[in-house]
Amino acid sequence: QVQLVESGGGVVQPGRSLRLSCVASGFTFRSFGMHWVRQAPGKGLEWVAVIWYDGNNKYYADSVKGRFTISRDNSKNTLYLQMNSLRAEDTAVYYCAREAGGSSSYYLDIWGQGTLVAVSS
Amino acid sequence: DIQMTQSPSSLSASVGDRVTITCRASQFINNYLNWYQQKPGKGPKLLIFAASSLQSGVPSRFSGSGSGTDFTLTITSLQPDDFATYYCQQTYSTPTFGQGTKVEIK
Repeated sequence: QVQLVESGGGVVQPGRSLRLSCVASGFTFRSFGMHWVRQAPGKGLEWVAVIWYDGNNKYYADSVKGRFTISRDNSKNTLYLQMNSLRAEDTAVYYCAREAGGSSSYYLDIWGQGTLVAVSS
Repeated sequence: DIQMTQSPSSLSASVGDRVTITCRASQFINNYLNWYQQKPGKGPKLLIFAASSLQSGVPSRFSGSGSGTDFTLTITSLQPDDFATYYCQQTYSTPTFGQGTKVEIK
């Protein structure tokens, strides 16, 4: 079935790096834009980054710009989020999500179960 | 960034009740508005896209309306499975979410 599975979360010290992965199955991964969305403990959803289907365009939230990098390997059906210079405020569950629809009228129709990143000394 | 404000932040309701959640955008967003449902420990689930289109497989008791800056999610005849937190999201520009509305059992 259509599925997204995140991995790579854990406890990391401030200033260190971590790479998250999201493996897609059940659909043609290379045809869809993909997003990362995070949720701090007990808080709401915050959009993090998007990458177009071919990897040629990437956009970031101001809160992570210059520190996080989104990428994808369409041959491996895998989405990545490289997180550098981590801060305590990056502590959250990170979700990957598939984009459907088109242009501005898009929506996130498939979500993973999330992976927890905890930034603490 | 466009700010999305949901109201109420939480509500208590009984099975069978009609529930309405509103979402207001800080500027015009046409109909680029989606609604999601999230249960504890789970990823969000898409309910409504483009303000009023029902996602495949979502029960017809869920409906959305609105355009411009003011939007509504309505649940007619609330069911036990509907107790969850609901978020609106705009995609007119850099995507942003509302703060969420928690629907609890009265």
